Amino acid sequence: KQEVTQIPAALSVPEGENLVLNCSFTDSAIYNLQWFRQDPGKGLTSLLLIQSSQREQTSGRLNASLDKSSGRSTLYIAASQPGDSATYLCAVINAGNMLTFGGGTRLMVKP
Amino acid sequence: DAGVIQSPRHEVTEMGQEVTLRCKPISGHNSLFWYRQTMMRGLELLIYFNNNVPIDDSGMPEDRFSAKMPNASFSTLKIQPSEPRDSAVYFCASSSLRDRATEAFFGQGTRLTVV
Repeated sequence: KQEVTQIPAALSVPEGENLVLNCSFTDSAIYNLQWFRQDPGKGLTSLLLIQSSQREQTSGRLNASLDKSSGRSTLYIAASQPGDSATYLCAVINAGNMLTFGGGTRLMVKP
Repeated sequence: DAGVIQSPRHEVTEMGQEVTLRCKPISGHNSLFWYRQTMMRGLELLIYFNNNVPIDDSGMPEDRFSAKMPNASFSTLKIQPSEPRDSAVYFCASSSLRDRATEAFFGQGTRLTVV
């Protein structure tokens, strides 16, 4: 059974800092990996999708990498802003299109 | 497209009552997922469908829970009878099995409170 772990569970940084969120998974036979953001009381917003054949994806200040063989993905946020404060979730997607989520990292960016 | 649409947004019901949650996936998507989110357990997959067929319902907690997808544009999650421990936010999501380069998208969720 696929297990997804996100470390750290919570992170507090000053504005402007670059930061890395980690996601690890136990079964490397994944199809895709997707990063989401969730604001308090809201739904999940998709940030980036990385296909298994890709090593990384970039969107603005966000860069996500994927290393299938080691079962790891990272989400890099450059020049963090208070508006980046949210919970970040990674999900691995199997061949049947099922998403398995990690527990999330709760990020606080202080002005 | 308006995205994944869930209704109602909020539901308060008494223990023992039947609750029906509804979901309209993004047009053209043929995978549909029902998740439940609580502070204690995070996001849990309840059931998912591919091409209107249930693929994995191992996350459905009990026989009190049932889900249907009668056509490509509509799904329901029913709880009968409801219990206070069912209180949670229920999310529906959809994605494409045909185009694996597309992302999964979530609805805004239904916040269920059973008193």
